[in-house]
Amino acid sequence: IVMTQSPATLLVSLGERATLSCRASQRVDRNLAWYQQKPGQAPRLLVYDVSTRATGIPARFSGSGSGTQFSLTISSLQSEDSALYYCQQYNNWPRTFGRGTKVEIK
Amino acid sequence: QVQLQQWGAGLLKPSETLSLTCAVYGGSFSSDYWIYIRQSPGRGLELIGEINHRGTTIYNPSLKSRVSMSLDTSKNQFFLRLTSMTAADTAVYYCARGLGYYGSGGSYTRGVMDVWGKGTTVTVSS
Repeated sequence: IVMTQSPATLLVSLGERATLSCRASQRVDRNLAWYQQKPGQAPRLLVYDVSTRATGIPARFSGSGSGTQFSLTISSLQSEDSALYYCQQYNNWPRTFGRGTKVEIK
Repeated sequence: QVQLQQWGAGLLKPSETLSLTCAVYGGSFSSDYWIYIRQSPGRGLELIGEINHRGTTIYNPSLKSRVSMSLDTSKNQFFLRLTSMTAADTAVYYCARGLGYYGSGGSYTRGVMDVWGKGTTVTVSS
């Protein structure tokens, strides 16, 4: 399954909403996760099961979608949210990732 | 709290074999499943394979002929071997724990990585 993320780069002001998109080449049911990665660090799990936040993830991160179209929303962007964000499907083997959306502070 | 510490050779010559070890601290090694992933500018994030606590493995078909994973439950460690390395295998290699959960439909679901090691940079060059 090919995961396509858009946009490649998202410029957002502090305190504003950021919406990231992810499209799967075929249906993945609810088996969709989002990760955040900062330079020099491993990815960190944010959301799984489309909309379940992982342990310790702030409530400003929310996931939505179904079928083949999914979104990650950061409701009020903080400086520490500047990072790369990846979606991942785990409906089929092998699990596959998108190429990422870079969120930058405007 | 589960932590993963990984190590292995960082510089290999073409045709050599990559060997990585991931040690698990905390948590329940005997009931979880364990994963290796790699990341490179060209391929992005690529899942290599999974192994459960019984030693049952599943590998990415693109690497299946060259990869093997194993574990040592007495040491809470799991391992990756990737043979016939080429420059295309140059990447950061991560170990991770697999998260299993019961979804809204009641079925047990797995495939998410909730704890990651720091990564090992592996370069293949003559």
